[in-house]
Amino acid sequence: NAGVTQTPKFQVLKTGQSMTLQCAQDMNHEYMSWYRQDPGMGLRLIHYSVGAGITDQGEVPNGYNVSRSTTEDFPLRLLSAAPSQTSVYFCASSYSGVPDTQYFGPGTRLTVL
Amino acid sequence: DQQVKQNSPSLSVQEGRISILNCDYTNSMFDYFLWYKKYPAEGPTFLISISSIKDKNEDGRFTVFLNKSAKHLSLHIVPSQPGDSAVYFCAARSGGAQKLVFGQGTRLTINP
Repeated sequence: NAGVTQTPKFQVLKTGQSMTLQCAQDMNHEYMSWYRQDPGMGLRLIHYSVGAGITDQGEVPNGYNVSRSTTEDFPLRLLSAAPSQTSVYFCASSYSGVPDTQYFGPGTRLTVL
Repeated sequence: DQQVKQNSPSLSVQEGRISILNCDYTNSMFDYFLWYKKYPAEGPTFLISISSIKDKNEDGRFTVFLNKSAKHLSLHIVPSQPGDSAVYFCAARSGGAQKLVFGQGTRLTINP
């Protein structure tokens, strides 16, 4: 099993550009989530999904869109990148319907200029 | 409003001694708590958890204590080893809630 994979590992964007951060898991987990990690702020939930076709907002959803068309994939879209979105993004998945023992991907470091 | 707080950004402990990491929460509805460990350039990994029906949970060198009246939990690592140097996050959720709330993290450094 590859676990949770994220691409790309690093990305530099200009303000206003859009992009999609990819996340995939091969563990048949129903629950998937996206977090951002900023210095002094810990991990903050952006969006989550409890199954294909079901998504909901987390703590900091503004500026981000998600969709869940398959169990395996949970992409995060930045619609119009802003410098405030400079962060490290982590995708995670959990075998249960709740986010307890989550398995995290290695992260994507995003810089918006 | 920070519902889960880790007030110590960093902690330095000598190898072999006990490391104690602390976490406070404000939401009395939280009933399940977790600790995650994170190495640089890697994603967090689950370490240990505790339900509010317990006040202690052990897993090898790691023990988590929960004081519900004080809304406080702590992670004890005994004995501390160099490989324990990492950032530790506590997290909490309520009932069947589908959202975890994380603290800011504490960077633990184990000195030889």
